[in-house]
Amino acid sequence: RKEVEQDPGPFNVPEGATVAFNCTYSNSASQSFFWYRQDCRKEPKLLMSVYSSGNEDGRFTAQLNRASQYISLLIRDSKLSDSATYLCVVNGDDSWGKLQFGAGTQVVVTP
Amino acid sequence: NAGVTQTPKFRILKIGQSMTLQCAQDMNHNYMYWYRQDPGMGLKLIYYSVGAGITDKGEVPNGYNVSRSTTEDFPLRLELAAPSQTSVYFCATGTRNYNEQFFGPGTRLTVL
Repeated sequence: RKEVEQDPGPFNVPEGATVAFNCTYSNSASQSFFWYRQDCRKEPKLLMSVYSSGNEDGRFTAQLNRASQYISLLIRDSKLSDSATYLCVVNGDDSWGKLQFGAGTQVVVTP
Repeated sequence: NAGVTQTPKFRILKIGQSMTLQCAQDMNHNYMYWYRQDPGMGLKLIYYSVGAGITDKGEVPNGYNVSRSTTEDFPLRLELAAPSQTSVYFCATGTRNYNEQFFGPGTRLTVL
């Protein structure tokens, strides 16, 4: 079983619509959770951290469900520039800084 | 500030050749990492370093070596390249205070 699992998509979303997707993680001891964004043929960049109480950053909302071991990301009012692959990232190892990356969920926003 | 830089951007190697992927950072971060990313797969940690002179194996270290003589540089050495090492290689840095990692632009390596 993969440490971090994501639906690869693609999620085809009309501009202005809302899209949401989840990722599941296997290590119940995981403490830190993130969403990274990766544009085609580019490096990953941090989109947002995910906190236990849930958090928003503009049009992006992240939620954490520890009981079911999943993280979600919701994008409201989708823009063409939101087209990217979204990586679910979990720090579950004893050693600080060793992150586990999901394979990513591709989002394609269409005009 | 350049952040994290990697060279070369692209490289084609023949089976059995060796090469060094360069990574440099000017962020004064202690932690540095090497990942590989294969199509449809998550990033896999190859090696990491928590400071100059200290390195440790990640999830997929076989076929690679690293060194960390300075805070700024963290080269990755491939010995006897194999087709299975065809991948995109990312170097990243981080600090102890928070878990965000900053990535370089990557090196696309093909072994034929």
